Amino acid sequence: NAGVMQNPRHLVRRRGQEARLRCSPMKGHSHVYWYRQLPEEGLKFMVYLQKENIIDESGMPKERFSAEFPKEGPSILRIQQVVRGDSAAYFCASSRGTTTDTQYFGPGTRLTVL
Amino acid sequence: QKEVEQNSGPLSVPEGAIASLNCTYSDRGSQSFFWYRQYSGKSPELIMSIYSNGDKEDGRFTAQLNKASQYVSLLIRDSQPSDSATYLCAVNIDWGKLQFGAGTQVVVTP
Repeated sequence: NAGVMQNPRHLVRRRGQEARLRCSPMKGHSHVYWYRQLPEEGLKFMVYLQKENIIDESGMPKERFSAEFPKEGPSILRIQQVVRGDSAAYFCASSRGTTTDTQYFGPGTRLTVL
Repeated sequence: QKEVEQNSGPLSVPEGAIASLNCTYSDRGSQSFFWYRQYSGKSPELIMSIYSNGDKEDGRFTAQLNKASQYVSLLIRDSQPSDSATYLCAVNIDWGKLQFGAGTQVVVTP
């Protein structure tokens, strides 16, 4: 039973480049969440998506960040024109439903901006 | 601003002893509460979920919830060196959005 899949596991970008992070939810899960963990800080909610819909993006920075979960394929978190402050671990989680359902986390993508 | 508070630690626990971790939350409407364990450099791993007042036991772990006091705790019995990790309290605050505490680092000493 495959868990939440994320790729790449490590991503290095230079300032100004774009970063694309991918997440495939667990089988049977249709809800995807993205969280960011800055160095020495806690996990912060970024965005909650269902297939073809953004449900809550209240944690997303207003500029340069976007997320999608298309009808086919993985969810993608896109960061344009990366800056050094974007260096962090980005975790994707998935759940079967909402509110009370447990969220299971993927292994994360560690983004380093040079 | 909805908040989740945890003692950052480190909490040093002798091997075989009980580790007690505490968490308070500010949103009275929260209905779902979770404890995750995170090893350094790894992703959060679910330990327990709890939804009703009282205790919930799973192996060496017991979660306790008191909604009136807005308090949730985790007990780890017979602590092992492999329990050394950061424990994250998470509260579902709004349609699946989890708010995490800063985490409590637990160090189990031989």
